[in-house]
Amino acid sequence: VLTQPPSASGTPGERVTLSCSGRDSNVGSHSVSWYQHFPGRAPRLLIFSDDQRPSGIPDRFSASKSGASASLVISGLLSEDETFYVCSSWDGSLRSVLFGGGTMLTVL
Amino acid sequence: QLAESGGGLVQPGGSLKLSCVSSGFLLSGSVVHWVRQSSGKGLEWLGRSRSNLNNYATVYAASVRDRFIISRDDSKNTAYLEMSRLETEDTALYYCTRGNADYPFSSAMTVWGQGTTVTVSS
Repeated sequence: VLTQPPSASGTPGERVTLSCSGRDSNVGSHSVSWYQHFPGRAPRLLIFSDDQRPSGIPDRFSASKSGASASLVISGLLSEDETFYVCSSWDGSLRSVLFGGGTMLTVL
Repeated sequence: QLAESGGGLVQPGGSLKLSCVSSGFLLSGSVVHWVRQSSGKGLEWLGRSRSNLNNYATVYAASVRDRFIISRDDSKNTAYLEMSRLETEDTALYYCTRGNADYPFSSAMTVWGQGTTVTVSS
């Protein structure tokens, strides 16, 4: 129910923006979280409460939200950033946490 | 840290109980979510249990609401996911996670276990 483009790409040092689109019942009304997920490993929380970074997350990662859409920005792209990025939000109508399908970021 | 266990092979219609042991913090004071990932698919939230301050209130995804139950054993610093009437579609890697705040509408999960694999097959 949270829509993310399946793929994105950028070159080292570049700034990339990943999107997450929802509805009023989820992103439009509740906070968004973002995760970095390497296949075979547990996801890592990058962003909570729309734009807050947990301790230890580099400030190269930032996020914002407008209406029912959210964005994750990765600045100064590194090759190690190549992996999946997943957004999540509570949905008040479904009374459930929803995850986006994830965006695979390729660093060219 | 969180460590899941209890996964394995189970026949369709069967039951399984997954465990999630916490080390380094009291699980009783934390929100616990269960999340799974099927092969080649994205993350799917299954349900959550709030902290003891909120009576471990639970809520579940519609897809598992009548079949899965989250429970706790504070004496063992452990949470459980009891799964019944399992279907082949329940085959997945199952994670337990710690929520970052005991807020009913939060989707932020700060600590994740490494997961335990459940395979439902005859």
